[in-house]
Amino acid sequence: DSGVTQTPKHLITATGQRVTLRCSPRSGDLSVYWYQQSLDQGLQFLIQYYNGEERAKGNILERFSAQQFPDLHSELNLSSLELGDSALYFCASSVADYGGGAGEQFFGPGTRLTVL
Amino acid sequence: GQNIDQPTEMTATEGAIVQINCTYQTSGFNGLFWYQQHAGEAPTFLSYNVLDGLEEKGRFSSFLSRSKGYSYLLLKELQMKDSASYLCAVRGGTNAGKSTFGDGTTLTVKP
Repeated sequence: DSGVTQTPKHLITATGQRVTLRCSPRSGDLSVYWYQQSLDQGLQFLIQYYNGEERAKGNILERFSAQQFPDLHSELNLSSLELGDSALYFCASSVADYGGGAGEQFFGPGTRLTVL
Repeated sequence: GQNIDQPTEMTATEGAIVQINCTYQTSGFNGLFWYQQHAGEAPTFLSYNVLDGLEEKGRFSSFLSRSKGYSYLLLKELQMKDSASYLCAVRGGTNAGKSTFGDGTTLTVKP
């Protein structure tokens, strides 16, 4: 158990819908990262927040948005869902936002999103 | 942008040593990481290198050469439970905090 929690574990929805994935980081970690992992694309970095502020952005679609709240939990919002958005979405947390403290990221169990 | 290459698959024997290579190209560099991922599970952190040289952690070691854009992960005394995917990731590029992952190397350990 990494100490990072994600809900829900599974999510099945239809195209065009909007969903929200939730992540609670390990106690004491200020950085939260979101990743998408699909069979044909590997692990893709989406976005990072540090203490409530956006720190780094990867290949995140405009239909996707995220935020980190004052209690440090984070939400990833996915809208106008398409079939291709079906994937495993991981949240990770780390102590710092750069250096080794950022490298040792602890991953949550993931949310499996299926878009039908 | 960033480009990371690692072998797709490797096979090794229980008790042996295996080296998984990773080459990368990046416009900026803020560290290289190795993660282990068992099928259906979340990745787990193995190592972090930001300076050239070897970092050892038990049965696992990771090496970095920044001038060559090259890293390897060395696994000693292989165990069956080491069968997993090993992901090489580089942090940096034009967006200093961005992490780019390789496609992973699937290691199969045979008895």
